[in-house]
Amino acid sequence: DAKTTQPNSMESNEEEPVHLPCNHSTISGTDYIHWYRQLPSQGPEYVIHGLTSNVNNRMASLAIAEDRKSSTLILHRATLRDAAVYYCILRFYGGSQGNLIFGKGTKLSVKP
Amino acid sequence: DTGVSQDPRHKITKRGQNVTFRCDPISEHNRLYWYRQTLGQGPEFLTYFQNEAQLEKSRLLSDRFSAERPKGSFSTLEIQRTEQGDSAMYLCASSEKYEQYFGPGTRLTVT
Repeated sequence: DAKTTQPNSMESNEEEPVHLPCNHSTISGTDYIHWYRQLPSQGPEYVIHGLTSNVNNRMASLAIAEDRKSSTLILHRATLRDAAVYYCILRFYGGSQGNLIFGKGTKLSVKP
Repeated sequence: DTGVSQDPRHKITKRGQNVTFRCDPISEHNRLYWYRQTLGQGPEFLTYFQNEAQLEKSRLLSDRFSAERPKGSFSTLEIQRTEQGDSAMYLCASSEKYEQYFGPGTRLTVT
């Protein structure tokens, strides 16, 4: 399975944008890029996913490099509630495979 | 839609005892996953069901672990002869297509 590399931790100020990077240099053409986050004492929560084009939803934006070897999750205005561990995951949809392979993620701290 | 629910939320057991956890997925979701998470680590995949069929099992799922989804709805995860190394958060997730929706987890402590 293709791996991802993320910084262990990042800090942000409340109401400022946050850019969370992810490197995935061995990504294959059929891998989707998924982001999940896990708030303290909760199960992971889906954030966003994409294949080639940039994606936006109500939670965040996903910017994917043209060569797909890296991506960035963008939180437009961080709130205290966004403090969580963010996981960047590559997921293949072929056959019966469907499980997520989590790394250690990036722990985001948000300062008031 | 009440989301994915798991029961119990916490379980303390003595080494050697058997434990069973239950997961109720979102009703229209045909895919169900079990993961295990230890402190400071991301969740690790254990097993995957599509409807009632168990399609994938991780090497982490030793012979002491068994999972079922008898009618393609709720699922159970049983651990026999628990060991201290089984202490972890056990997470269940369900999905219909791309996104997986996770439950709050069952925290198991083996003493």
